[in-house]
Amino acid sequence: GAVVSQHPSRVICKSGTSVKIECRSLDFQATTMFWYRQFPKQSLMLMATSNEGSKATYEQGVEKDKFLINHASLTLSTLTVTSAHPEDSSFYICSALRGEQFFGPGTRLTVL
Amino acid sequence: KQEVTQIPAALSVPEGENLVLNCSFTDSAIYNLQWFRQDPGKGLTSLLLIQSSQREQTSGRLNASLDKSSGRSTLYIAASQPGDSATYLCAVRALGLTGGGNKLTFGTGTQLKVEL
Repeated sequence: GAVVSQHPSRVICKSGTSVKIECRSLDFQATTMFWYRQFPKQSLMLMATSNEGSKATYEQGVEKDKFLINHASLTLSTLTVTSAHPEDSSFYICSALRGEQFFGPGTRLTVL
Repeated sequence: KQEVTQIPAALSVPEGENLVLNCSFTDSAIYNLQWFRQDPGKGLTSLLLIQSSQREQTSGRLNASLDKSSGRSTLYIAASQPGDSATYLCAVRALGLTGGGNKLTFGTGTQLKVEL
């Protein structure tokens, strides 16, 4: 149990476009999910905490208008990178809370 | 602000060697500490979770210890194998209310290569 999926696994987009990444808890309900970003050779940095039915809580330095988070159901949270630029290229990982955090497989975003 | 550091940043060992990965954290007020494995381009696999009241946890060839007062944890890997090659991350979970108390702060990672 406690499986978390992400879609897509990889996405390449042009600068200025928006990209949506989905995070799903497949076999449990999660009122809380987390979004992380990982740059090459670096560790995971928490971007925001996603709470079902309420606004996400963003970490300091993360632009909430650029990284839109929607946690509309107990099994789905989405991260939308708006007006993406090359510096947004990164590996985005989500996790869902069920006692402890269970992590998705990640999404590789490349912005050209 | 919690800071988590891992030493060494990279490690290359021959197959069969026993090895120790180190993790240190600045704020000892933690709920638990977790070790993860990450393969290139992949998500995280949880290896061991140590509650703040525990001193160590074992799973197969892996043993993790926790010294909360000194802000240190070690991951011991016995009889290393090429399949152990990956990046190992430690993460501490903060104490506190539901929101902040569930946050994980990750270390910088140790990239391990086990050679034949």
